[in-house]
Amino acid sequence: NAGVTQTPKFRILKIGQSMTLQCTQDMNHNYMYWYRQDPGMGLKLIYYSVGAGITDKGEVPNGYNVSRSTTEDFPLRLELAAPSQTSVYFCASSYSLGGGNQPQHFGDGTRLSIL
Amino acid sequence: GEDVEQSLFLSVREGDSSVINCTYTDSSSTYLYWYKQEPGAGLQLLTYIFSNMDMKQDQRLTVLLNKKDKHLSLRIADTQTGDSAIYFCAETPDTGRRALTFGSGTRLQVQP
Repeated sequence: NAGVTQTPKFRILKIGQSMTLQCTQDMNHNYMYWYRQDPGMGLKLIYYSVGAGITDKGEVPNGYNVSRSTTEDFPLRLELAAPSQTSVYFCASSYSLGGGNQPQHFGDGTRLSIL
Repeated sequence: GEDVEQSLFLSVREGDSSVINCTYTDSSSTYLYWYKQEPGAGLQLLTYIFSNMDMKQDQRLTVLLNKKDKHLSLRIADTQTGDSAIYFCAETPDTGRRALTFGSGTRLQVQP
């Protein structure tokens, strides 16, 4: 299994540009998440989804949009890139509402710089 | 809201034990996790503990939970240079939202 796959791994954007960060998982997980990790900080939740067609805001959703048309894919869109969105973005997935024995699996991250 | 705090840095010598500490504020925390992040990589789940447990051991890793003080620790026995990484403490409450609340991470440096 590939697990959680994120593309691209690196990207540089100009202020005001838009882009979509891709995330796909092949574990048939219902739950998917997007986090951002700023330097020296922990991960903060941007959006999450509990299943196809259902998304909800996390802690820091402003400036982002998501969609969940399939179980496998959970893309994150930046419409008008701003320097404050320079960060490393992690996608994660988990099977259900289960806790410790159903942990979140993470992708390797997308490093995004807005100049 | 929930808050998870960790010290920023720990340096140990190879072969010694490492102890990484974490405190949290959410009394409804159900599961507490330790993740490892190596440079340029995503987060790898190391171990977890359910809130009704005091201790969990998994090979070189020992997790201790003091629920009264809301204190979690991760002990790595016989620390190796390959253990050098950032270690994140995280928790999830017993609510419908299963996203994790992370600490800022502790950078473990293992000196030969």
